[in-house]
Amino acid sequence: GQQVMQIPQYQHVQEGEDFTTYCNSSTTLSNIQWYKQRPGGHPVFLIQLVKSGEVKKQKRLTFQFGEAKKNSSLHITATQTTDVGTYFCAVPRGGSEKLVFGKGTKLTVNP
Amino acid sequence: SAVISQKPSRDICQRGTSLTIQCQVDSQVTMMFWYRQQPGQSLTLIATANQGSEATYESGFVIDKFPISRPNLTFSTLTVSNMSPEDSSIYLCSVEAGIGRAYGYTFGSGTRLTVV
Repeated sequence: GQQVMQIPQYQHVQEGEDFTTYCNSSTTLSNIQWYKQRPGGHPVFLIQLVKSGEVKKQKRLTFQFGEAKKNSSLHITATQTTDVGTYFCAVPRGGSEKLVFGKGTKLTVNP
Repeated sequence: SAVISQKPSRDICQRGTSLTIQCQVDSQVTMMFWYRQQPGQSLTLIATANQGSEATYESGFVIDKFPISRPNLTFSTLTVSNMSPEDSSIYLCSVEAGIGRAYGYTFGSGTRLTVV
C-alpha cells in the first residue's frame, strides 16, 4: 500500500537555526499535506500542496512539492521555541480520502 | 472549518474492561476517521465511519475489538473492547475540515488511554 518515508526522525536545534524535514514517496502523489503536533496535543493541519514544483510560505515556514510530485519538504527559518513539536506529512491512499502519515520528525529547540 | 469535541480526554482502565470514546462534530460530515497513536509513534488509521453503513476497518483492526457507531452525520463513537495494556495509546477522531481537501483534516483533541 501507499507509504511515505519521512526523515529525519528527530532533530534538535539551537534557537535561531534552520530546520528541514523531508518526505518521499515511491509513487506520484496527487497531493501532500503537512501537520504539526505539539507535545501533548493533536495534529493540526498546516498546508496542502497539489501542484508540481509548488512552493508555499507561511511566515517562517516554507513548503515545497517536488517536480515529480514524489517528494516534499518543510523548512523552518530561524526556529523559535514555539516551533517545538512533531511535524508529519500525510498523503492520500490511492484515490481515497484516507490519509497515510509519515513517521514524523520530532523537533526540539534549545533556547 | 469543522470543530470536534472528543471525550474523554484521558482515562485509566482495568484490563478486560471496555471504554467508549465519543466525537461530536459541529457540522455534518460524511466520513469520520478513527486513528490510534501509540506513544512516540505516528498515526495509524483504525477505521472509517460512514453514517448509515458499517464502518470499514483497516488491516489489523477488527470490529469485535473496536466497534464503531455512527448514528448521525455529526457523531460517532469508538469502543475499545476487552482492553489489554497493549491498547494503551492516544485515540483520535478526524474529519475533513471543510469542503475540499485544501482545508485538510481536523482532529479531535484525543483520548489518552492507559490500561493497567
